[in-house]
Amino acid sequence: EIVLTQSPDFQSVTPKEKVTITCRASQSIGSSLHWYQQKPDQSPKLLIKYASQSISGVPSRFSGSGSGTDFTLTINSLEAEDAATYYCHQSSSLPWTFGQGTKVEIK
Amino acid sequence: EVQLVESGGGLVQPGGSLRLSCAASGFTFSSYAMHWVRQAPGKGLEYVSAISSNGGSTYYANSVKGRFTISRDNSKNTLYLQMGSLRAEDMAVYYCAREGLGEDSPFDYWGQGTLVTVSS
Repeated sequence: EIVLTQSPDFQSVTPKEKVTITCRASQSIGSSLHWYQQKPDQSPKLLIKYASQSISGVPSRFSGSGSGTDFTLTINSLEAEDAATYYCHQSSSLPWTFGQGTKVEIK
Repeated sequence: EVQLVESGGGLVQPGGSLRLSCAASGFTFSSYAMHWVRQAPGKGLEYVSAISSNGGSTYYANSVKGRFTISRDNSKNTLYLQMGSLRAEDMAVYYCAREGLGEDSPFDYWGQGTLVTVSS
């Protein structure tokens, strides 16, 4: 099973600040890494697919990078509505797995 | 508009059974693989099970293998999860999710979830 480890677990950030979340895979997964945003009492929402591909309707301040084992989700100029937990997810091999999540709080 | 609506959750005693349903609309259901993902209260996302577009292939996480059965009825545009021998650790919100088209696609749509509570 591929283990995904996110860091940090929690981040408290002021509006307009830049946020960087990393996801490390226990083995190479190419670009089969995706990012989701989950707000309280809501289902997850796809933010970035295949490490760096944007999703229609997602604000351009969200971007992703990386390949192999190391990946990054960046939120440029954080807005209050971005308060949420962010998860990475690999679809390279079964069982598909998720990172443990990174909670982003607005100061 | 793509919609996935789960139902069937509720309170069940340890050792009991429950069947979850996920009604799909707004897309050609029979063209997509479907999945179940769960989230225990206050915890992260856990992958549970998958089924291919025609139902011919299924996959289960080790934690549910032998106790849960995934199935689908493409004529009714509905995904199911039959859960048996339920344990306290199965208590969670269960989401159905659509796998996008293409190799190694992510979950592009999720339902709102249905809560399963396992307690005596």
